Amino acid sequence: AQSVTQPDIHITVSEGASLELRCNYSYGATPYLFWYVQSPGQGLQLLLKYFSGDTLVQGIKGFEAEFKRSQSSFNLRKPSVHWSDAAEYFCAVGEGAGNTPLVFGKGTRLSVIA
Amino acid sequence: GAVVSQHPSRVICKSGTSVKIECRSLDFQATTMFWYRQFPKQSLMLMATSNEGSKATYEQGVEKDKFLINHASLTLSTLTVTSAHPEDSSFYICSARLSGRGPNEQFFGPGTRLTVL
Repeated sequence: AQSVTQPDIHITVSEGASLELRCNYSYGATPYLFWYVQSPGQGLQLLLKYFSGDTLVQGIKGFEAEFKRSQSSFNLRKPSVHWSDAAEYFCAVGEGAGNTPLVFGKGTRLSVIA
Repeated sequence: GAVVSQHPSRVICKSGTSVKIECRSLDFQATTMFWYRQFPKQSLMLMATSNEGSKATYEQGVEKDKFLINHASLTLSTLTVTSAHPEDSSFYICSARLSGRGPNEQFFGPGTRLTVL
């Protein structure tokens, strides 16, 4: 069965500092991986996704993620965090085809301090 | 493109009443929609998979008689919380899978905040 682990429940970074949010997955075949961001009381916004090809994926808002098959990881990075990036971040994995739902990690809450 | 809407965005109801939440794919057809539930500071938990023209598939532990799902068209799925109780208060999010589109990609609605008094 698919599973996603986000080891960090809460991370605090200073504005302007770099950020890395960790995501590890368990899946037997080639996974399809996603990062979503959720602001308080809001729905999910897709930051980026990986289906195939280049393992370094660029997303919106200056985020990027790197797929590392050997480590079963898909960590999210941003070189310089802005106060508006404070939110909940979810990593998710899905199957390639079919109508199966995404499986989400438990999320990482990002706080940004001045 | 690929916009999903939910209505209402917020609803407050009395205990014992029923509440219907709509999930619409605005600019695409979705043979499959998913309903998730999210408690405060927690992740999304899949409740059920809704397939157009057929019965929904519920996850273990989700009461199908309490959470009625209808997917009558390729652009609309509804979730009805019957005889709601305070413990049903939660954030409900739907997603829709773009029919025929390649890898599994879902588009999420903005969510509905249900508060049962």
